[in-house]
Formats: sequence, structure tokens, C-alpha cells
Amino acid sequence: QKEVEQDPGPLSVPEGAIVSLNCTYSNSAFQYFMWYRQYSRKGPELLMYTYSSGNKEDGRFTAQVDKSSKYISLFIRDSQPSDSATYLCAPGDTDKLIFGTGTRLQVFP
Amino acid sequence: DTEVTQTPKHLVMGMTNKKSLKCEQHMGHRAMYWYKQKAKKPPELMFVYSYEKLSINESVPSRFSPECPNSSLLNLHLHALQPEDSALYLCASSGGTGRNSPLHFGNGTRLTVT
Repeated sequence: QKEVEQDPGPLSVPEGAIVSLNCTYSNSAFQYFMWYRQYSRKGPELLMYTYSSGNKEDGRFTAQVDKSSKYISLFIRDSQPSDSATYLCAPGDTDKLIFGTGTRLQVFP
Repeated sequence: DTEVTQTPKHLVMGMTNKKSLKCEQHMGHRAMYWYKQKAKKPPELMFVYSYEKLSINESVPSRFSPECPNSSLLNLHLHALQPEDSALYLCASSGGTGRNSPLHFGNGTRLTVT
């Protein structure tokens, strides 16, 4: 079993849709969970950073962690074409981040 | 623009060349990282420097040689690379290697080995 599993997509949605991106992980010791957004030919950009279980909201983005089921989610409300990118989940400590394979999202006008 | 600056943006080198990648951050971060990313794959950790000392080397071949001259600068020296080393090389920094310090990435150097 891979340490982090993420559906590679691509996921194609219309502008304004609610997007749900998900990852599962296997190591129950993980306590820190990050989501990165990566545009084509750019480096990953930190979107959300959460600790332990629960929700965290930042504007149109909500990160959700369920440690009991080892499941993490990123919700994007009112999606925009500018949200078109690859989204990488990354549970773990800073020097032991395990990146998911990334989900490619395309938001069409 | 990111707060982690990498130069050059693109690099083409032959297998016998020696070149260096450079990374600079002015966020006062004390940990710096090199990652390698192949197309459509996630970043893979290569090296971690904490307080200017190499703390993690993920069994990277010796043709890659990292250097941290000071807390703001990180270099990656390249020598006798192979075509399969062609990739996006990402530098990142964080406040420390502790758990409460997310990584901030630069935009990378796209390396092509011919």
C-alpha cells in the first residue's frame, strides 16, 4: 500500500462548481497535513496547512482531516478558471513530507 | 512571485559539464531543501539542510553535491549527470525542520541533460 494515495484526475468542472479533492494515507502517526497548488512550469505553492483532525477554512478553500479514517480533503467553493492547476496533498512532518501524486483540476468557463 | 528565488530558470548541459543551481531566501528560514520533480510526478526529497548543516541525504548519487554557504543560500553542484537526471529541481525553505514549519518552494530550475 502506498503511503499516500491521490486520484490523479484529470478533474474537469464548470466555473462556479464546488470541487472536492481527496487523499488517503497509511501512517497513523502523521499529524500535519498540507495542500499545495502547482501551476504548470511553476513550483508548488502552499495553500492550506492543518494540524490533526478537523476543518480549516481560508476564503474559498476548506481543508478537512479525518485521522480516524486517514482521509484528507480539500474543498474549493465557487471554482474559477484560475484554480486550474495540479493539487498535491502532503501529510507528514516538514522533513518527511510525503507528497501525493497530485490531482489535475481544470475549471472551464 | 515566490520568496524563494532559484537561478537559472532553465539549464541545458552535457553529460561532461559541471554546473551549479542556486537558491536564495530572505525569510529568515533556517532549513533549506532540494527536491527533484519529474513530469507528472510529485516532488522527491533529495537533501535537507538545517542551520547550514546537512541533516538528510536521501541516498542521492554523488554526481549531485549540495552546499549551504549561509542560512540564506543553497547551491546544488552538478557533475557528470545522466539524461535521466533531466527534471525540475525545486528548492524550498522552512522555519525549521520541526513540525510547525510548512515548506515554501521556489519555481525551480528546469534541467535538461543531453
